[in-house]
Amino acid sequence: EVQLVQSGAEVKKPGESLKISCKGSGYRFTSYWIGWVRQMPGKGLEWMGIIYPYDSDTRYSPSFKGQVSISADKSMNTAYLQWNSLKASDTAIYYCVKSAAAIGSWFDPWGQGTLVIVSS
Amino acid sequence: DIVMTQSPDSLAVSLGERATINCKSSQSVLHSSNNKNYLGWYQQKPGQPPKVVIYWASTRESGVPDRFSGSGSGTDFTLTISSLQAEDVAIYYCQQYLSSPPTFGQGTKVDLK
Repeated sequence: EVQLVQSGAEVKKPGESLKISCKGSGYRFTSYWIGWVRQMPGKGLEWMGIIYPYDSDTRYSPSFKGQVSISADKSMNTAYLQWNSLKASDTAIYYCVKSAAAIGSWFDPWGQGTLVIVSS
Repeated sequence: DIVMTQSPDSLAVSLGERATINCKSSQSVLHSSNNKNYLGWYQQKPGQPPKVVIYWASTRESGVPDRFSGSGSGTDFTLTISSLQAEDVAIYYCQQYLSSPPTFGQGTKVDLK
């Protein structure tokens, strides 16, 4: 079974750093793009960026470029989403997603989501 | 960016009745080289991540009941649930994956009447 398992919920203060993870299993991790999608409380879905674990080729949405970093460790079959300085507006659920085929394809499956709360 | 606009924002349907959700893209998502529409539909139930139900605008994901169907081409698409069941209560999102960044519609909430 293809699965993405994300790290647990986080509660952080503004200005703190954070790195959340997404571990893939049941498929060849290096052969498929892994992306991140944000869902703010009660809101819709926003694509943040994507990485190809084979060579770490990374693309960002213009809305998120410079705000977050996406990385991957292919030896661990794990992708990461990182912030250097969190803001209250980063409070959201973050989903990792696997591209079903090539980079231009739908997302399947989705991880279970990581809730990030940023509050003083 | 391609803007995806869904209608309606919400709808309430009786059990066994038809639910229809529309999705319009600001540019065509039909790829001329392969004649495929780069359009997917996702279902998100409360407290769960989204899951794909339709891709290539009309291909049903494995395991998805055949009461779900997708249609349309170019810029106008429809997700139809032919006979609504209680377990179909969810928010549905369309998404284009033709061009980067991939973009989602704002979502349509489907409830029971």
